[in-house]
Amino acid sequence: EAQVTQNPRYLITVTGKKLTVTCSQNMNHEYMSWYRQDPGLGLRQIYYSMNVEVTDKGDVPEGYKVSRKEKRNFPLILESPSPNQTSLYFCASRSGGQGETQYFGPGTRLLVL
Amino acid sequence: GNSVTQMEGPVTLSEEAFLTINCTYTATGYPSLFWYVQYPGEGLQLLLKATKADDKGSNKGFEATYRKETTSFHLEKGSVQVSDSAVYFCALSDQGGTSYGKLTFGQGTILTVHP
Repeated sequence: EAQVTQNPRYLITVTGKKLTVTCSQNMNHEYMSWYRQDPGLGLRQIYYSMNVEVTDKGDVPEGYKVSRKEKRNFPLILESPSPNQTSLYFCASRSGGQGETQYFGPGTRLLVL
Repeated sequence: GNSVTQMEGPVTLSEEAFLTINCTYTATGYPSLFWYVQYPGEGLQLLLKATKADDKGSNKGFEATYRKETTSFHLEKGSVQVSDSAVYFCALSDQGGTSYGKLTFGQGTILTVHP
């Protein structure tokens, strides 16, 4: 089954404790991205990757890092989480150009205390 | 920059009522337009899309027409069901500039349908 998976689905942590949210897709897509969803703001892009070893900032990259060492994986790293990073995070992938559909993972709900 | 504006929610309807959720956009290039749906506790799923002006996207009884002259992509359904209760997001993807097809989302509209 074609899908995007994320882990963990739920995470409670404390300020400053490094964490990684994993994302994997099995569709051989070149393009992957991370979004955060906040009430009243919709989804905003954090980082994206056009292919292996090619990443760039989205609209809200501060406090986040990413890497793309393999085509299927695109982890999101919070080196020193803060309470304002409490949010719902989605990974997505797409093949082809801007008119193509993006496929979303199930989401990771993060609470930073 | 690009932006998407959706009608204020939440929207509450009775089963079999007509649904319209308004969406307007601002874009510098020639965007593709999407409606995504998020059911409770799940990720986003594509509902429908249109990639050029005057195209109509349709799926599961929902429709939206890409209107370049009014920069709009309103979502409609003739008869909603309880199972349509979800959050609906309008979004655009624009290859222009350095966006590389990033999705720009509206704020989402919560739809609740009562029996």
